Amino acid sequence: AQSVTQPDIHITVSEGASLELRCNYSYGATPYLFWYVQSPGQGLQLLLKYFSGDTLVQGIKGFEAEFKRSQSSFNLRKPSVHWSDAAEYFCAVGTQGGKLIFGQGTELSVKP
Amino acid sequence: KAGVTQTPRYLIKTRGQQVTLSCSPISGHRSVSWYQQTPGQGLQFLFEYFSETQRNKGNFPGRFSGRQFSNSRSEMNVSTLELGDSALYLCASSLGTGAGANVLTFGAGSRLTVL
Repeated sequence: AQSVTQPDIHITVSEGASLELRCNYSYGATPYLFWYVQSPGQGLQLLLKYFSGDTLVQGIKGFEAEFKRSQSSFNLRKPSVHWSDAAEYFCAVGTQGGKLIFGQGTELSVKP
Repeated sequence: KAGVTQTPRYLIKTRGQQVTLSCSPISGHRSVSWYQQTPGQGLQFLFEYFSETQRNKGNFPGRFSGRQFSNSRSEMNVSTLELGDSALYLCASSLGTGAGANVLTFGAGSRLTVL
């Protein structure tokens, strides 16, 4: 069955520290992979996507993610976290058309 | 260009009533998808419309329905509301074809509370 797992429900990091959010997927074919961010009371904003090619993809707001087929992972990273990065982050795999399967999300808190 | 617009942003209904939510996609986008977001179940796919036809459907009861108009605007309807229907309903639009079909732009959502 197709699924996405985000093992960490909540992560707290200090401002300026590096960040890595984990995502594992289960999908039979070559996946289309996405990271979205959601601020409280808002919709989802696309951070980055992977379709094919270079396994390290760059996104907006200084985020990057690396696709590792052997580990079925697509982890999100940022070298230096800012207080404004506090939000909930969702990993997703694309299936047919507009149907995405989302992970349960990781809530990020940033300590000053 | 304008983003995805959802109306209303907030609404309160009582059990047994019905509700209609509206979504205006990004200009040029032909696909509209709907998602339900709850603390317990997370983000779940409801259905997708492309060129006025339902193309994909999630695992929701028939009380949940939708439609798409010729200008790509979409509505979803929930009949006989239950307490468990309280959620944030998110609409997303995309080009609808090729790899772009999966690249969704989301609206801010409609927050439904059922009392």
